[in-house]
Amino acid sequence: EPEVTQTPSHQVTQMGQEVILRCVPISNHLYFYWYRQILGQKVEFLVSFYNNEISEKSEIFDDQFSVERPDGSNFTLKIRSTKLEDSAMYFCASKKTGSVTDTQYFGPGTRLTVL
Amino acid sequence: QKEVEQNSGPLSVPEGAIASLNCTYSDRGSQSFFWYRQYSGKSPELIMSIYSNGDKEDGRFTAQLNKASQYVSLLIRDSQPSDSATYLCAVISSASKIIFGSGTRLSIRP
Repeated sequence: EPEVTQTPSHQVTQMGQEVILRCVPISNHLYFYWYRQILGQKVEFLVSFYNNEISEKSEIFDDQFSVERPDGSNFTLKIRSTKLEDSAMYFCASKKTGSVTDTQYFGPGTRLTVL
Repeated sequence: QKEVEQNSGPLSVPEGAIASLNCTYSDRGSQSFFWYRQYSGKSPELIMSIYSNGDKEDGRFTAQLNKASQYVSLLIRDSQPSDSATYLCAVISSASKIIFGSGTRLSIRP
């Protein structure tokens, strides 16, 4: 069964450094998402992406964050200058259509630790 | 601010019993409702989706939706120790994002 994959599974970085989290969505999916989950807290929406554009973003997704689909398979989240509070699990998700009844499938996540 | 509220638990249920999980949401325009299961350190895994008022059954799971009361529930019959996890209620009101509740921790005791 096709699945969303994410790399790396765990990333450790120093405060102020740039990180790129990578995702490979399911191959025939067109809508892509990033969520984060700080330890012990709820899963929070960051950004949605369709047709090479951001569709919607949350207040969390400030100028330090950017997303890109550099080729036909990868979907990346870049954090330009990491802060301690960026430490969290980051989940990528994808779905096939824009229908509200279509399921978003989540990847296994990348644990980001900022020291 | 659109909110999804859940009791954080833990909810402790004996093996073989019915576990009942509840959720309320604030946005009356919400169109799709999901229950995800999340094991510690893992990603959310879809259990059930429901879009119209009433009950929807899938194996041991039944989702119930009452849009007038803005209420969604999940029943798990014949609870198993492997059902022990955090259950996330999630709501979609636009095509673009899921709003998650904070989750209910369920513990099935043997």
